[in-house]
Amino acid sequence: AQSVTQLGSHVSVSEGALVLLRCNYSSSVPPYLFWYVQYPNQGLQLLLKYTSAATLVKGINGFEAEFKKSETSFHLTKPSAHMSDAAEYFCAVSADTGNQFYFGTGTSLTVIP
Amino acid sequence: GAGVSQSPSNKVTEKGKDVELRCDPISGHTALYWYRQRLGQGLEFLIYFQGNSAPDKSGLPSDRFSAERTGESVSTLTIQRTQQEDSAVYLCASSSNRNQPQHFGDGTRLSIL
Repeated sequence: AQSVTQLGSHVSVSEGALVLLRCNYSSSVPPYLFWYVQYPNQGLQLLLKYTSAATLVKGINGFEAEFKKSETSFHLTKPSAHMSDAAEYFCAVSADTGNQFYFGTGTSLTVIP
Repeated sequence: GAGVSQSPSNKVTEKGKDVELRCDPISGHTALYWYRQRLGQGLEFLIYFQGNSAPDKSGLPSDRFSAERTGESVSTLTIQRTQQEDSAVYLCASSSNRNQPQHFGDGTRLSIL
């Protein structure tokens, strides 16, 4: 079975500061891991994905995430926050077996000018 | 357009009425998912279609919910005898295959009076 835990439902950072959004997963098989962003009144957009290639994954808008098997984590980071990064962020996991994607409950990112 | 299209974008209806939500996936995408997102919460898996295989209905919350998909094209999600607790955004996503990134529509915002 797979599941995802996102620590911190709300994160606030100052513009230009480091963004760190946490995601821990559980999976009985090698996972596929994803980060999605959701802007108000829109669907989800893919930021990046991990599919067992490089452990450090670079995505769009300057975001990246590192897969750490020993910590079962896939935290999302960005060196310098921009006002336009304010949104809801979702971590998701799936496995080669089974049909479902499991989404975390989301982290709302606020960027303070 | 080339993205996932959902209609209507907003639906307001009275308790007890039936509603039908539509999803047009990206052309060629064999996998299609429906999710429910309640206000301020994460995504709740409802149902998954993969090609001509039997759908995974394990996420449907009650027998008032049903969904159909014709081949690899349009899908409709039907909610019968709507209840106030059904108020949510219903998101549809498609992907080229399971475990591939999902592409989301902008959702249908359903409000039950």
